[in-house]
Amino acid sequence: AQSVTQPDIHITVSEGASLELRCNYSYGATPYLFWYVQSPGQGLQLLLKYFSGDTLVQGIKGFEAEFKRSQSSFNLRKPSVHWSDAAEYFCAVVPFRGQNFVFGPGTRLSVLP
Amino acid sequence: DAGVTQSPTHLIKTRGQQVTLRCSPKSGHDTVSWYQQALGQGPQFIFQYYEEEERQRGNFPDRFSGHQFPNYSSELNVNALLLGDSALYLCASSYGEGQETQYFGPGTRLLVL
Repeated sequence: AQSVTQPDIHITVSEGASLELRCNYSYGATPYLFWYVQSPGQGLQLLLKYFSGDTLVQGIKGFEAEFKRSQSSFNLRKPSVHWSDAAEYFCAVVPFRGQNFVFGPGTRLSVLP
Repeated sequence: DAGVTQSPTHLIKTRGQQVTLRCSPKSGHDTVSWYQQALGQGPQFIFQYYEEEERQRGNFPDRFSGHQFPNYSSELNVNALLLGDSALYLCASSYGEGQETQYFGPGTRLLVL
């Protein structure tokens, strides 16, 4: 079945440590790929997106993501996490142009002082 | 530049009642999508409106209906509320038929008792 998976339900890192959140998708063609962040009780904020071209994309708040076609992955990274990064992170896919978003289940990030 | 706005922020209803949620898109956007986010899950696509017509629909029953007005704002109506309809309802707006990138509002939290 076509889907978006985020294998890690909850990740805890120390402030200043590096972070990688995993996202895999199972669609035949290369979809449009997104990462959104959601703070408690809030809506979703777009961090970054990939449509085509350079497979390493830069986003806001110091985040980046790398698209790997061979692994059907779009992992989110940040070299040094800040306490304010604690939130829920969602990977989302638009299977092809004109379709709507399919979201992963989310990964909750906790940051230790 | 106002972003996506939603009203009300919170709502409590009882089973069997009807509810209407409202959304105003980001300035310049003409497409509105609605999502349901149950607690601890990723958003699920309900439907999308473009040019005042429902263009796409997710796997939701007919109890969920919507409308888009000439000024591009939108309403989501849910009839015969069930306990399972308790969720955060998110509105997202985008521009044009391609709508690759969606911007989300803060959501309306609905509690059905």
